Amino acid sequence: SYELTQPPSVSVSPGQTASITCSGNRLGDKYASWYQQQPGQSPVLVIYQDTKRPSGIPERFSGSNSGNTATLTISGTQAMDEADYYCQAWDSSTVVFGGGTKLTVL
Amino acid sequence: QVQLVESGGGVVQPGRSLKLSCAASEITFGSYGMTWVRQAPGQGLEWMAVVSYDGSEKYYVDSVKGRFTVSRDNSKNTAYLQLNSLRPEDTAVYYCAKAVGSGFHDAFDIWGQGTMVTVSS
Repeated sequence: SYELTQPPSVSVSPGQTASITCSGNRLGDKYASWYQQQPGQSPVLVIYQDTKRPSGIPERFSGSNSGNTATLTISGTQAMDEADYYCQAWDSSTVVFGGGTKLTVL
Repeated sequence: QVQLVESGGGVVQPGRSLKLSCAASEITFGSYGMTWVRQAPGQGLEWMAVVSYDGSEKYYVDSVKGRFTVSRDNSKNTAYLQLNSLRPEDTAVYYCAKAVGSGFHDAFDIWGQGTMVTVSS
């Protein structure tokens, strides 16, 4: 079965740029999406179709996807961005989530 | 405001069944695919099933095939997940989510608040 691999944790200082990667075989041939989940809350879509931001998502969130790796980039990271982030892709007719990355802003 | 509200969770003994509901408001429900995702305590997101906008196509993660059934009733703006032969490892918060488009190869842009299922004797 298809797998998406994320680093368990990423740390970033406030105001700096955070990058969270998601690796999968030929992931660049698929669309990658990213979700943010705050503690005790439901997931929120922050990036879809590799690079698109839903309405209401700040411009500091951006995405890319090429080769075997998709990347979520948060520019000018704020304390409120501390959360778990999950990548997601489709493999044929099934949905796959990455294991999640805990972003710590310190 | 678009909203999804799950219900039907609870505490159930192993081997028993539950039916989860996901009621949608303020959207043209019949235009969008719907999915179910669960999250065990302290764990990540795990995809369960997806149903196309018209209910004609349904797909499942291998681990629940034959035990879980996804369905929808567009006249009631509601999606369902029937959980049979429940096991302790099915204990999780179950979320429904709306696809950006008709159901496949889409992201999921609206999520419900989740409903907790606890399988325990």
